[in-house]
Amino acid sequence: GQNIDQPTEMTATEGAIVQINCTYQTSGFNGLFWYQQHAGEAPTFLSYNVLDGLEEKGRFSSFLSRSKGYSYLLLKELQMKDSASYLCAVMDSNYQLIWGAGTKLIIKP
Amino acid sequence: GAVVSQHPSRVICKSGTSVKIECRSLDFQATTMFWYRQFPKQSLMLMATSNEGSKATYEQGVEKDKFLINHASLTLSTLTVTSAHPEDSSFYICSAREGGQGDTGELFFGEGSRLTVL
Repeated sequence: GQNIDQPTEMTATEGAIVQINCTYQTSGFNGLFWYQQHAGEAPTFLSYNVLDGLEEKGRFSSFLSRSKGYSYLLLKELQMKDSASYLCAVMDSNYQLIWGAGTKLIIKP
Repeated sequence: GAVVSQHPSRVICKSGTSVKIECRSLDFQATTMFWYRQFPKQSLMLMATSNEGSKATYEQGVEKDKFLINHASLTLSTLTVTSAHPEDSSFYICSAREGGQGDTGELFFGEGSRLTVL
């Protein structure tokens, strides 16, 4: 079956760096997405990776290794507003989005 | 976690016809459901928010007469694309939020529906 795994919850300190991992097993691969979701709000797009390597976008970076079925989202210089859930999603060969359950990130001062 | 089922997963229709997509919360009551649209390699775009028993709230630029949303029960919301045209071809995804005492603010997503208009 298809499966996306990411940690349920992580805690980090304001100003620090945190890495959220995502591993996947899907039937085919057409890209991996990371979304940020604040409680009760719609998710907002953070990144899209389809080729191996690191994509950097400001304080956020996303890495992909297709051979390992692995991605991570790296958040630098953490701010309190970064407290949210981070969703990993993979688009499979049928262009269906397979979603991870999300990682709740708690930022402490 | 809570399960949201979306149907159909893929639909192909002729231009000018209408297509209905269903979004069901299987094991919880969803007071609020969201409908998104996603083009290839792009972010989800929120189309509208629907609350059970009331009219949907549409995002700016989304035609409410073209994308009809009905949220008649706590477990079902439907999106009808009326008089579909090729430019309406897209990936539509719903998400649901549990209401009442079970509401943690978390959103649960459907699997998505890929619409192709010929």
